[in-house]
Amino acid sequence: DQQVKQNSPSLSVQEGRISILNCDYTNSMFDYFLWYKKYPAEGPTFLISISSIKDKNEDGRFTVFLNKSAKHLSLHIVPSQPGDSAVYFCAASRGSSNTGKLIFGQGTTLQVKP
Amino acid sequence: GAGVSQSPSNKVTEKGKDVELRCDPISGHTALYWYRQSLGQGLEFLIYFQGNSAPDKSGLPSDRFSAERTGGSVSTLTIQRTQQEDSAVYLCASSAQGGSYEQYFGPGTRLTVT
Repeated sequence: DQQVKQNSPSLSVQEGRISILNCDYTNSMFDYFLWYKKYPAEGPTFLISISSIKDKNEDGRFTVFLNKSAKHLSLHIVPSQPGDSAVYFCAASRGSSNTGKLIFGQGTTLQVKP
Repeated sequence: GAGVSQSPSNKVTEKGKDVELRCDPISGHTALYWYRQSLGQGLEFLIYFQGNSAPDKSGLPSDRFSAERTGGSVSTLTIQRTQQEDSAVYLCASSAQGGSYEQYFGPGTRLTVT
């Protein structure tokens, strides 16, 4: 049962343009969402997060949008840079679980072309 | 400061053998997590430690998998009688406190069962 889904395995964009990565979830109990970025042979690194009480969170070039009614979140990167090329994972958690256990999507490989 | 470290980085073992994977979390981090990533899949939660106790073991796939943590620091994940489906990258993460979603990941151990 895949509770967090990233339906696009890969995305290719031109440097300077916007990258939009999408994520859908099925469990309405999730109340905290995160994006992680992963380079080859490294562990994932935390990028940005959003609580379910918000619908948008921005940090520099990165913005995460949350649509609770659609159970959908997206990560926007503007402008995209070649160094952003990596695998992006969305993750979700239930605050009530009190463990910090994260449920991850399958990942989307972003390629930013110079 | 030092991040999360894992050893070995790669492990090739024969089916039926036991393996031990080690994780050294960030100093002072009380929470520790094990995840695994199978080919083409997202990260799958295995177990969560708070200090030396494991309040959430719900992700361990079978009784061949066990983990312990000593001194509130180093953790070992043991897989007994390995099977080919155990082949994956095993990732360890730590966070400053339990229930924190901002987890810091190690580079992982790539396990191949032949």
